[in-house]
Amino acid sequence: DTGVSQNPRHKITKRGQNVTFRCDPISEHNRLYWYRQTLGQGPEFLTYFQNEAQLEKSRLLSDRFSAERPKGSFSTLEIQRTEQGDSAMYLCASNWGPSYNEQFFGPGTRLTVL
Amino acid sequence: TQLLEQSPQFLSIQEGENLTVYCNSSSVFSSLQWYRQEPGEGPVLLVTVVTGGEVKKLKRLTFQFGDARKDSSLHITAAQPGDTGLYLCAGAGRYGGSQGNLIFGKGTKLSVKP
Repeated sequence: DTGVSQNPRHKITKRGQNVTFRCDPISEHNRLYWYRQTLGQGPEFLTYFQNEAQLEKSRLLSDRFSAERPKGSFSTLEIQRTEQGDSAMYLCASNWGPSYNEQFFGPGTRLTVL
Repeated sequence: TQLLEQSPQFLSIQEGENLTVYCNSSSVFSSLQWYRQEPGEGPVLLVTVVTGGEVKKLKRLTFQFGDARKDSSLHITAAQPGDTGLYLCAGAGRYGGSQGNLIFGKGTKLSVKP
């Protein structure tokens, strides 16, 4: 039983560079969520997909952020022109069925912008 | 304004002691989840409470949902070093809010010393 996987686990980049993260949800899960967690805070919702449709985006998701889930399976989150304030743990979660509440999280991608 | 307030923020206790952590809100939620997160990892779901007044037990952990579905508590009996971690509560289905968007508190960082 494989859980949610995320790659890479760690990413260090220079300010102004673009980065892309990948999330592979649990195979039968049709909903996929992205969250961001900064030090000392709980995760904050960014966006979620049902199958390939992006159904909700947070105001935190600025124009520099884009997420895709082209075939309703894995998802990518791209950040363009990274800023130091983008340094955070980016978490992906998935679920399915009638319960939107029980979300299963991956290990996260730790982004450090120098 | 933090929608979900968790207290205490930090807790350091000796092995064998009991403890209670709290999660409070002025908003009504359709359910509350409790997660535990270890450094550098994603949150792991412990329990979901749905009905006002509901009590759930998971070995030495007892979770309670307030009658008005605005608050919850987690009680740990005879804490062990393995209980060390960040305990996060998350609310779902806030009245008027999105079903896909989990709202997290900042967490309670628990340290259990042998």
